[in-house]
Amino acid sequence: NAGVMQNPRHLVRRRGQEARLRCSPMKGHSHVYWYRQLPEEGLKFMVYLQKENIIDESGMPKERFSAEFPKEGPSILRIQQVVRGDSAAYFCASSRERAYEQYFGPGTRLTVT
Amino acid sequence: AQSVAQPEDQVNVAEGNPLTVKCTYSVSGNPYLFWYVQYPNRGLQFLLKYITGDNLVKGSYGFEAEFNKSQTSFHLKKPSALVSDSALYFCAVRDSSYKLIFGSGTRLLVRP
Repeated sequence: NAGVMQNPRHLVRRRGQEARLRCSPMKGHSHVYWYRQLPEEGLKFMVYLQKENIIDESGMPKERFSAEFPKEGPSILRIQQVVRGDSAAYFCASSRERAYEQYFGPGTRLTVT
Repeated sequence: AQSVAQPEDQVNVAEGNPLTVKCTYSVSGNPYLFWYVQYPNRGLQFLLKYITGDNLVKGSYGFEAEFNKSQTSFHLKKPSALVSDSALYFCAVRDSSYKLIFGSGTRLLVRP
């Protein structure tokens, strides 16, 4: 039973490029959460999605960041026109139901040069 | 607003000795508390949770945590530390619905 999958594991982008991070939840999970971990800090909530719906994006920066979880396929976190401050580890988690425990993927480490 | 504090950036213990990693929290309503461990360049692994019931919660890899309502604490403990326990430990509280609020993390170093 595969866990939460994220790819790529490492992503290097130059300033101004776009970054696309993918997350496939655990089998049977339809709730996806994205968190960001800046160096030497804890994880911060970004967005919560269910299939085809954004439930809560209160932790997402207002510009350049977007997320989706289509009916088919993985959840995507998209960062347009990346800046150095976007360099961080981005973790995806999934749960079976809204209030159940969340299982985390291995993360995508984004480096902006 | 919910918050979690991990007052120690790093905890050092000798292998075989007991370990404690501290966590205090602030929530409105009943707390849902979690401990996760993060190994280098890896994701977070769930260790244990407190939702309700016994104040002493047992989790993975021999870890346990004690919920203390009066002190608003949820300290992580293990009777005998292993070198392989060396990692970054995060305490988290879930708000009334789904968001996990994480502490800043405590690095545990177990020396042989």
